[in-house]
Parts: sequence; structure tokens; C-alpha cells
Amino acid sequence: AQSVAQPEDQVNVAEGNPLTVKCTYSVSGNPYLFWYVQYPNRGLQFLLKYITGDNLVKGSYGFEAEFNKSQTSFHLKKPSALVSDSALYFCAVREQGGYGQNFVFGPGTRLSVLP
Amino acid sequence: DAGITQSPRYKITETGRQVTLMCHQTWSHSYMFWYRQDLGHGLRLIYYSAAADITDKGEVPDGYVVSRSKTENFPLTLESATRSQTSVYFCASSDTLSNQPQHFGDGTRLSIL
Repeated sequence: AQSVAQPEDQVNVAEGNPLTVKCTYSVSGNPYLFWYVQYPNRGLQFLLKYITGDNLVKGSYGFEAEFNKSQTSFHLKKPSALVSDSALYFCAVREQGGYGQNFVFGPGTRLSVLP
Repeated sequence: DAGITQSPRYKITETGRQVTLMCHQTWSHSYMFWYRQDLGHGLRLIYYSAAADITDKGEVPDGYVVSRSKTENFPLTLESATRSQTSVYFCASSDTLSNQPQHFGDGTRLSIL
């Protein structure tokens, strides 16, 4: 069975500081991993994905994520946080070769960037 | 513009009533999904569809019905609404390639009194 954990319900960071939002996953085989952001009263917006290859993937709005197979982690990072980055962030996993297109989403982490 | 549209954005109804939430996508994606989002539960999959006339249950299908007569539309019906179905409902779509992301609509906030 697939699962995703986001160990922090809330992350607070000062504007201009680096941010990290953590994600760990569990799948039987190899994963496809995704990060999404959700702003108030909006749907989830795709940020970036890991399929294969380079462990550091870059995405929208200056975000990047590092895939670590040995630690089964896919942490989201940004070198310098903006107040406008404040939102709810979701990690999702799908097992490669699995049936259908179903994702498993983590519970979400609320990021607050303080001015 | 291409995208995924949900309607209505907000709906208030009473227990026992039937309500249908609409979802329309313009990408011609094969896969479509319905999720509900609740505090403390994150996103939970209700139903999904791999193509027109092909649907399958997700994690929490009880009390819901879906249909997919056309590729672009995937309506979700609550046949007899209950208060526990008060939630925010999201529709999503994705390409057939398994490494592609799902794309989400902006949701329907449903309140059942």
C-alpha cells in the first residue's frame, strides 16, 4: 500500500529565509512524487514532480525538491521565502507501474511566511 | 481557455435532497477524479474514471454516484445528502501517462443543513 507522511502540520519561516517542507513516502516499488500548493478557496496547483534521474528537481515559483531514495523522502525547498508563499502544501505519491492513475496525498503542511 | 471547471462553486442544501456537482475539462484527459477535502482528513478519493463509461470506486464512495458519458464531463451526485457529506469537493483530471500530474478545479463548497 502507498502512503505519504508530512510530519509537520505547520511551518513558520521569516521572509527571506530558506524554507523546507518535509515529506516521506512508502510504496512497494519505485515512486512518482509530486508537490502541490493550495491557496485559500482554490484548487491544488502542481508545483513539481520527480519521475527519475536527477534527485534535485526544480519547479514553479522558485521551488525545488530533493528526492532521497534511502530515506524515502521528498522534501520541498526554497532558498528565500516570500510572504506570498504562505499556503497549504501537499505531497503526493504514485507507484510506478501501479494500477490506474491514483495518487495518495499527504495530509498537508501549512506554511506561514512572516514579514 | 483550457482548464477544468467546477460548478457550482458554493451550494447549500438540506439533508435528504439530491445534489449534483459538475466537472468539465477541456484537455481531453482520459482520467478524471473526485476528491473531498475535510479538516483532519486531507484529500480523500471518492471515485475516478479512466475513460468514458469506465468508473471505479475510491476510498470513500458510499453515498455518491458518478457517470461519465462524455470524456470531458464527470458529474458527482449525492443521491440523498447527509450532514457528513458537508465538505469541499475537488475534481481533477490527468493524462494517461502515469508520470503526469493531476490538474485540479477550484472546488465546490457544499453545506448540508
